[in-house]
Amino acid sequence: EAGVAQSPRYKIIEKRQSVAFWCNPISGHATLYWYQQILGQGPKLLIQFQNNGVVDDSQLPKDRFSAERLKGVDSTLKIQPAKLEDSAVYLCASSLGDRQESRAFFGQGTRLTVV
Amino acid sequence: DQQVKQNSPSLSVQEGRISILNCDYTNSMFDYFLWYKKYPAEGPTFLISISSIKDKNEDGRFTVFLNKSAKHLSLHIVPSQPGDSAVYFCAATSPGGYQKVTFGTGTKLQVIP
Repeated sequence: EAGVAQSPRYKIIEKRQSVAFWCNPISGHATLYWYQQILGQGPKLLIQFQNNGVVDDSQLPKDRFSAERLKGVDSTLKIQPAKLEDSAVYLCASSLGDRQESRAFFGQGTRLTVV
Repeated sequence: DQQVKQNSPSLSVQEGRISILNCDYTNSMFDYFLWYKKYPAEGPTFLISISSIKDKNEDGRFTVFLNKSAKHLSLHIVPSQPGDSAVYFCAATSPGGYQKVTFGTGTKLQVIP
């Protein structure tokens, strides 16, 4: 079974530039998550999709971050414009659904460095 | 507001001995807890979970204990192996609605051969 795919693996940009990350979840997984993990901290949920609808984006900095999930499958996360403090690993995860037992499967992440 | 706390950022254990990783939470609504393991340059992978209706769950060398009154859980690894060296994240969810997973800050475990 293919896992969660993310691209790119690494990205270096200058502050005020824009960047986009892509995620392809496990086939059949209705729930998709984007997490931000800053060095030394645990993953922080940015946005959660159920199929193609947003169910939680309370911690998404909406003035600069946006995300969409096309046809309830792939998802993109965009940052525009980037700030130095956005340097982090961006993790995409997916799970079967809304049951608590639906454990999340994570991709390898995209390491973003803003200089 | 850190609702899930792992107060030990790192832990070193000798191979063959027991590793105990601790986690505290503040949100009394949490009723399902998970441990994830993360190797460098990889995403976290699920390790073991426990529902609040239980106080212990065991899977091979891994056992998770839950003390609801103390809002505390721990992960025991016996015996510890060098391949267990990784960062371990405690996570929690609350009932109802869509599963939102709140993670702790992680504990880096080093198992010394």
